[in-house]
Amino acid sequence: GAVVSQHPSRVICKSGTSVKIECRSLDFQATTMFWYRQFPKQSLMLMATSNEGSKATYEQGVEKDKFLINHASLTLSTLTVTSAHPEDSSFYICSARSRVFANTGELFFGEGSRLTVL
Amino acid sequence: AQSVTQPDIHITVSEGASLELRCNYSYGATPYLFWYVQSPGQGLQLLLKYFSGDTLVQGIKGFEAEFKRSQSSFNLRKPSVHWSDAAEYFCAVGLNAGNMLTFGGGTRLMVKP
Repeated sequence: GAVVSQHPSRVICKSGTSVKIECRSLDFQATTMFWYRQFPKQSLMLMATSNEGSKATYEQGVEKDKFLINHASLTLSTLTVTSAHPEDSSFYICSARSRVFANTGELFFGEGSRLTVL
Repeated sequence: AQSVTQPDIHITVSEGASLELRCNYSYGATPYLFWYVQSPGQGLQLLLKYFSGDTLVQGIKGFEAEFKRSQSSFNLRKPSVHWSDAAEYFCAVGLNAGNMLTFGGGTRLMVKP
């Protein structure tokens, strides 16, 4: 149980295009989803927190107009990188918190999506 | 704000040897503590967690970690490392159950045959 799936796992796009990454909780309802960004050989940096049905909360320095996050249901959150540029190339990882494990603080992570902008 | 420090960026151990990965956190109260493992190009898998109770917690794959309040540490240990344990290990801290997690810089483990 508690599986989180991300799609696509890899995407290559041209500069100036937009890319959407989906994050789904397959067998549980995700009360909260978090989007992280990871540069090569570095740790995870939180980008934003999203709760179902409300606007995402972005961390300082993260452009909300650049990284659009939608949490339309309890099982789906999407991250859209708008007008992507080479500096947006990175590994994006989503994570979800389950109602069942709400008291432990545990997060369940997707497999990650590697974005390469040419 | 809480912070997490993993002092060792790289660690190399021989297969069969014991392992200890260090993690120190900065926070006034007892946080929620986690160890995750990441294989190249993959997401994160939870190894173990601590939020209350016995300070020595057992996880998957033979890992354990001990919460030491006096040292603000949550070190990860394994008595005998296998080649398949080679990966990146992240310690993470949460202020409470509903809070986001703050990650340490990670420790890359390499295993020599």
